[in-house]
Amino acid sequence: EDKVVQSPLSLVVHEGDTVTLNCSYEVTNFRSLLWYKQEKKAPTFLFMLTSSGIEKKSGRLSSILDKKELFSILNITATQTGDSAIYLCAVTQRQNAGGTSYGKLTFGQGTILTVHP
Amino acid sequence: NAGVTQTPKFRILKIGQSMTLQCTQDMNHNYMYWYRQDPGMGLKLIYYSVGAGITDKGEVPNGYNVSRSTTEDFPLRLELAAPSQTSVYFCASRPYSHEQFFGPGTRLTVL
Repeated sequence: EDKVVQSPLSLVVHEGDTVTLNCSYEVTNFRSLLWYKQEKKAPTFLFMLTSSGIEKKSGRLSSILDKKELFSILNITATQTGDSAIYLCAVTQRQNAGGTSYGKLTFGQGTILTVHP
Repeated sequence: NAGVTQTPKFRILKIGQSMTLQCTQDMNHNYMYWYRQDPGMGLKLIYYSVGAGITDKGEVPNGYNVSRSTTEDFPLRLELAAPSQTSVYFCASRPYSHEQFFGPGTRLTVL
């Protein structure tokens, strides 16, 4: 069974701290790993990772994928209260002739990040 | 572009009632998806579609039906609503080989 597991499930920090969120996966025909941020409404896209060892960076957020060990991390430096959200990790699989992997996302359960002032 | 829109935003149903959750996208995306998100959980795929006239089941399809008569619309039908279907429902779409874009969600309560 395809599985995506995130840790920790919740995290409370103070502004200025650095956090690392983890995502491990076990899926067939892995294609890409995506990170989303969810603030009480629809998830918004952060990163898509397809290659091992190549860091994606956007401001204070960065992410990297390890396809050998089957995990990814999302780092947030100098956290702010606006970073408080649920961070979701999801995996896509390559399309196959059986028609069961057409870009669908398999999500982890999410990490709830709370940043206190 | 409005992106992905969903209606209604909120709904309360009685057990046994039926309803349709509407989803429309104006980005001409072939792929569309329905997810549900229960409290403290990630999203689980209900149904998806790879184009008009083509749909398939996801992880949790029981109690739901879909249709895809046009590229833009992908309604989700609940027949005989049950308390276990209380959830937040997200519709998403994507072009080929890109990330999914999510609608704002529909919060459904079945009492």
